[in-house]
Amino acid sequence: DAGVIQSPRHEVTEMGQEVTLRCKPISGHNSLFWYRQTMMRGLELLIYFNNNVPIDDSGMPEDRFSAKMPNASFSTLKIQPSEPRDSAVYFCASTDRVWGYEQYFGPGTRLTVT
Amino acid sequence: AQKVTQAQTEISVVEKEDVTLDCVYETRDTTYYLFWYKQPPSGELVFLIRRNSFDEQNEISGRYSWNFQKSTSSFNFTITASQVVDSAVYFCALSGWDDKIIFGKGTRLHILP
Repeated sequence: DAGVIQSPRHEVTEMGQEVTLRCKPISGHNSLFWYRQTMMRGLELLIYFNNNVPIDDSGMPEDRFSAKMPNASFSTLKIQPSEPRDSAVYFCASTDRVWGYEQYFGPGTRLTVT
Repeated sequence: AQKVTQAQTEISVVEKEDVTLDCVYETRDTTYYLFWYKQPPSGELVFLIRRNSFDEQNEISGRYSWNFQKSTSSFNFTITASQVVDSAVYFCALSGWDDKIIFGKGTRLHILP
């Protein structure tokens, strides 16, 4: 089975531009999570979905960040407008609550905002 | 509130030595899960183990072993006969009644040849 797929793997953009990160969870998993990892703050949960519905977005840093999950096999995280402090690695993870809660992570998207 | 503390920020050991990574957690939930993840230099996060709060049996998987003690709220991870390939950042994590996983800050492990 394919794991969690994220695209792009690397993104370099200029401040003020819109950035869209994409995630395809493992087929059959019903929960999806977006994380941000930085040296200063470690791994932070931004938002998570259960059955395509956003459950907790308290980790979304500000209104510039938004996330959607239009169907069970696709989610996006959008930053508009981007700022240099958004530079980080963004991970998507999915899990199947029935089988035990461990999350399986995608390879991450390394975002650099100049 | 839930919390995971990994007091060891960075550890260096010589290859073939045993090393234990400490993890202490806090939660008010009676049912919870504990996890360890590995993040090698390539950057991906790899799931290693899950333990639920009702199962205090220690677990061994090859050179890896985990010691879960509810009395001390600890879930420590030992690597026996360490190898250079074990060099990575290791995260301990906790999940309660909801799906959210709270990660510790991680321990960076260097295995020196």
